[in-house]
Amino acid sequence: QSVLTQPPSVSAAPGQKVTISCSGSSSNIGNNYVSWYQQLPGTAPKLLIYENNKRPSGIPDRFSGSKSGTSATLGITGLQTGDEADYYCGTWDSSLSVPTNWVFGGGTKLTVL
Amino acid sequence: QVQLVESGGGLVKPGGSLRLSCAASGFTFSDYYMSWIRQAPGKGLEWVSYISSSGSTIYYADSVKGRFTISRDNAKNSLYLQMNSLRAEDTAVYYCARADDFDLWGRGTLVTVSS
Repeated sequence: QSVLTQPPSVSAAPGQKVTISCSGSSSNIGNNYVSWYQQLPGTAPKLLIYENNKRPSGIPDRFSGSKSGTSATLGITGLQTGDEADYYCGTWDSSLSVPTNWVFGGGTKLTVL
Repeated sequence: QVQLVESGGGLVKPGGSLRLSCAASGFTFSDYYMSWIRQAPGKGLEWVSYISSSGSTIYYADSVKGRFTISRDNAKNSLYLQMNSLRAEDTAVYYCARADDFDLWGRGTLVTVSS
């Protein structure tokens, strides 16, 4: 059971938009930045979003991130078949107000129909 | 180029030990915090351990605390994970990643714990 809760799967048609939610608590998402990772089949994860809504160089603006309270959301517009992957959210989890453990969501499998 | 390359994985019996290495290149390794993250077959990502740039601050996941030791050698641009008292549930692909945002990952090395 992951500390951060993500839907196991989402799907949408090519060209459409999809959102993936990540729910946590005040000890993790509520007080820390959230990152999002894309893992294509058979490959290592790749950073998509950091500090809630920032994109690393090379990540297209079709990918966006947001955070509100103890939840975060990844948005993907203009879906492409190449976006089919597992997506993970992650953040620090704080014990006694000190972030000491990084936690990931359980992952969401995106299917582009 | 900027990359991380893990090595040291393999098949080990329950209760055995293994030492993983991660070689960094293309960036100033000593400037960055680093982490180990693992992924069991068919499962999600699990953070394992974290070490500060100087090695003075270290955190572990509860699942490996007391059994695994993270370390680094900045002169050799290398990160290590000493794994002792290995269990079947430690079977996974182990990735090293550049912290804090995990913006750079290696390809991973597979550790299989089985008799």
